[in-house]
Amino acid sequence: NAGVTQTPKFRILKIGQSMTLQCTQDMNHNYMYWYRQDPGMGLKLIYYSVGAGITDKGEVPNGYNVSRSTTEDFPLRLELAAPSQTSVYFCASSYLIATGDSTDTQYFGPGTRLTVL
Amino acid sequence: LAKTTQPISMDSYEGQEVNITCSHNNIATNDYITWYQQFPSQGPRFIIQGYKTKVTNEVASLFIPADRKSSTLSLPRVSLSDTAVYYCLVVGDSSYKLIFGSGTRLLVRP
Repeated sequence: NAGVTQTPKFRILKIGQSMTLQCTQDMNHNYMYWYRQDPGMGLKLIYYSVGAGITDKGEVPNGYNVSRSTTEDFPLRLELAAPSQTSVYFCASSYLIATGDSTDTQYFGPGTRLTVL
Repeated sequence: LAKTTQPISMDSYEGQEVNITCSHNNIATNDYITWYQQFPSQGPRFIIQGYKTKVTNEVASLFIPADRKSSTLSLPRVSLSDTAVYYCLVVGDSSYKLIFGSGTRLLVRP
């Protein structure tokens, strides 16, 4: 059970280039998320998905796109990279359990460090 | 989602108990208090969650007063490996959206 895996670990892009950040989870979680974390700051939600074929915007979706064709995979697409997208990107997943005794726990991947020059 | 306020940073020494307080004045009835830990170059990791009174697990304790407008994460006998950023979040019942603030940067010194 690998949990949440992300590739690549590091990437340098030139302004205007595009790329896809890959995220895979093997926990059969329904919910998946993409966050970005700028230096010294907390995480901000970019996009999330509540199941295959269903995605929605988070706090900072501009400049990004996502798709969710399978339960396991949730790729994040950057079109026309800009220096403002230099950040560390984290993918997470969770299995929402509405027990009334607790809320859900999110499991995070190791992150992708992206630099746009 | 309720906003949280916590200290930007804290220093401690190995073996000491560390208490990090979080303020969440606008917490709603169905909200839970949840703490995540983030080591450098890693994603956050869930450590503890509570609704009221006291919760304890193998990592930490969480103290929540009756009015639930604040909470305290307690780390007993910290070690160097507890150096990390600790995030306090208020999460609604069955909610999947997490709002991370800037967290508390804990530095444990030898």
